[in-house]
Amino acid sequence: DGGITQSPKYLFRKEGQNVTLSCEQNLNHDAMYWYRQDPGQGLRLIYYSQIVNDFQKGDIAEGYSVSREKKESFPLTVTSAQKNPTAFYLCASSLTGTGTDEQYFGPGTRLTVT
Amino acid sequence: DAKTTQPPSMDCAEGRAANLPCNHSTISGNEYVYWYRQIHSQGPQYIIHGLKNNETNEMASLIITEDRKSSTLILPHATLRDTAVYYCIAVIFGNEKLTFGTGTRLTIIP
Repeated sequence: DGGITQSPKYLFRKEGQNVTLSCEQNLNHDAMYWYRQDPGQGLRLIYYSQIVNDFQKGDIAEGYSVSREKKESFPLTVTSAQKNPTAFYLCASSLTGTGTDEQYFGPGTRLTVT
Repeated sequence: DAKTTQPPSMDCAEGRAANLPCNHSTISGNEYVYWYRQIHSQGPQYIIHGLKNNETNEMASLIITEDRKSSTLILPHATLRDTAVYYCIAVIFGNEKLTFGTGTRLTIIP
């Protein structure tokens, strides 16, 4: 089956620790995205990548880092510098990242930091 | 990107048509109207998009007013599985960044 996978579904970490969230797609899409969602809120863009080895900051990039070494993979690291890391994190991909391509979303990772 | 305004919540009886409104009075000529929905604790799902003509697919219909200042998403025969938060987003052609508001929470009532 083609799609986007995120793992794990739930993740618990202690404050001060970096944590990396996985996102993999087998749709052969060029563009990938990371969003954050807080309770009762819409999604906010963290980082996006239109091509391998290139990525741009979204609206709330502070405290996060990404890499795009392979077309299929776009891992997100939540660093200890992120003040409020507890949230629902969603990864998405689109065919080209330009024009009118719809985005396909993964099932999300719910991160809890205590 | 143009700001969109949606009612926070709506109810619809099962089997009836659900009509979800969206205002985008500042939309520019190169901005498309996109609709996504998010079922509780899942990732959003694309529904439909359009520029100025009405659009229909297997999931829904999108009606855009002639002046493009508002649109309506129509789910023709709502089922319980259509209960979700529906997001209306204005997207500039060539701009891959989506800005999600808080959407409309649609509840389908048996």
